[in-house]
Amino acid sequence: NAGVMQNPRHLVRRRGQEARLRCSPMKGHSHVYWYRQLPEEGLKFMVYLQKENIIDESGMPKERFSAEFPKEGPSILRIQQVVRGDSAAYFCASSPLVGEKLFFGSGTQLSVL
Amino acid sequence: GNSVTQMEGPVTLSEEAFLTINCTYTATGYPSLFWYVQYPGEGLQLLLKATKADDKGSNKGFEATYRKETTSFHLEKGSVQVSDSAVYFCAAAGDSNYQLIWGAGTKLIIKP
Repeated sequence: NAGVMQNPRHLVRRRGQEARLRCSPMKGHSHVYWYRQLPEEGLKFMVYLQKENIIDESGMPKERFSAEFPKEGPSILRIQQVVRGDSAAYFCASSPLVGEKLFFGSGTQLSVL
Repeated sequence: GNSVTQMEGPVTLSEEAFLTINCTYTATGYPSLFWYVQYPGEGLQLLLKATKADDKGSNKGFEATYRKETTSFHLEKGSVQVSDSAVYFCAAAGDSNYQLIWGAGTKLIIKP
């Protein structure tokens, strides 16, 4: 049973471009969570999704950021018009049910030039 | 607001040395406390946890005791190995199981 898969591992974008980060949860998991870790800081919760629904987006920046988890395929975190301050490690986690143990991916390191 | 502070890294030790990674928290009440580990190229995984004061979490030779008097949850291991090289994250429970309050992580390097 493969773990949570995130890709790409490293993503480089120039200011103003779009970044798309993908997360495939563990098999059988329908709950996905995204976190951001800025340099020298701890992980910060961004958004919690269940298949086709956003359950909690209280940690998402109001502009330029969006997330989806379609019926088929991976969850996508999309950042439009990236700025240097978006440079961070983005982690995804999944769980079979809400409240159960989280399984984390290895993260995507986004660098904005 | 709630916060978690852990010692800065990298921490470099020789094999078989004693390890302590400090972690302190500020919180309303007494939240559950966690240590996660991220080995190179892998996802974060739960190493151990403690749910109430004076509880001791342990796993793979690592231990941490929940001390409410000092609001601390220091990670210890008596004899580290090269395979323990990883980034260690301390965290406290937040409003939900997915909204943990995280420390910044401590990179541990063990030299043979």
